[in-house]
Amino acid sequence: AQSVAQPEDQVNVAEGNPLTVKCTYSVSGNPYLFWYVQYPNRGLQFLLKYITGDNLVKGSYGFEAEFNKSQTSFHLKKPSALVSDSALYFCAVRGPGAGSYQLTFGKGTKLSVIP
Amino acid sequence: DGGITQSPKYLFRKEGQNVTLSCEQNLNHDAMYWYRQDPGQGLRLIYYSQIVNDFQKGDIAEGYSVSREKKESFPLTVTSAQKNPTAFYLCASSIEGERGYTFGSGTRLTVV
Repeated sequence: AQSVAQPEDQVNVAEGNPLTVKCTYSVSGNPYLFWYVQYPNRGLQFLLKYITGDNLVKGSYGFEAEFNKSQTSFHLKKPSALVSDSALYFCAVRGPGAGSYQLTFGKGTKLSVIP
Repeated sequence: DGGITQSPKYLFRKEGQNVTLSCEQNLNHDAMYWYRQDPGQGLRLIYYSQIVNDFQKGDIAEGYSVSREKKESFPLTVTSAQKNPTAFYLCASSIEGERGYTFGSGTRLTVV
């Protein structure tokens, strides 16, 4: 079975400071990893994904994530936070292989960027 | 542009009524999903379907029903058996392989 843990329900960061939203996963084989963002009363929007290759993945809105196989982590990062980054962030994992459709989501982390 | 359309955006239900939430996609995705979102509880899977005329229960299927008569459509019915239906409902779709999900914009259901 695959699982995702987002250990922080909420992360507060001052505008202009770097931010990190943590994610660890468990899956058989090489994982496909994703980050999504949700603004109030909206669906989830894709930010970035890791499938293979470079461990540092760059995505939308200046976000990036670092895949660490030994620590089974995929933390989301941004060098300089904006107030508009305040939202709910979800990490998700999918196992490899044919017939693999389903993502398993973490519980989400609420990011608040303080002006 | 391809995408997923959920309707309505807001829905009000009287106690004892069944209501149906619409989800349509034009992405040619095989799989479709329904999630329920409550504050502080993340996404909980209600039902999913990987092929037309077939669907499986998720973690919280009680009080809900679905159909998948067409590849493009996956409506969710919230029945009167669902005791606490007030929530935000999200529909998503995907294809096999390395892509993630595409989500609709959600339906907020409120019992009045």
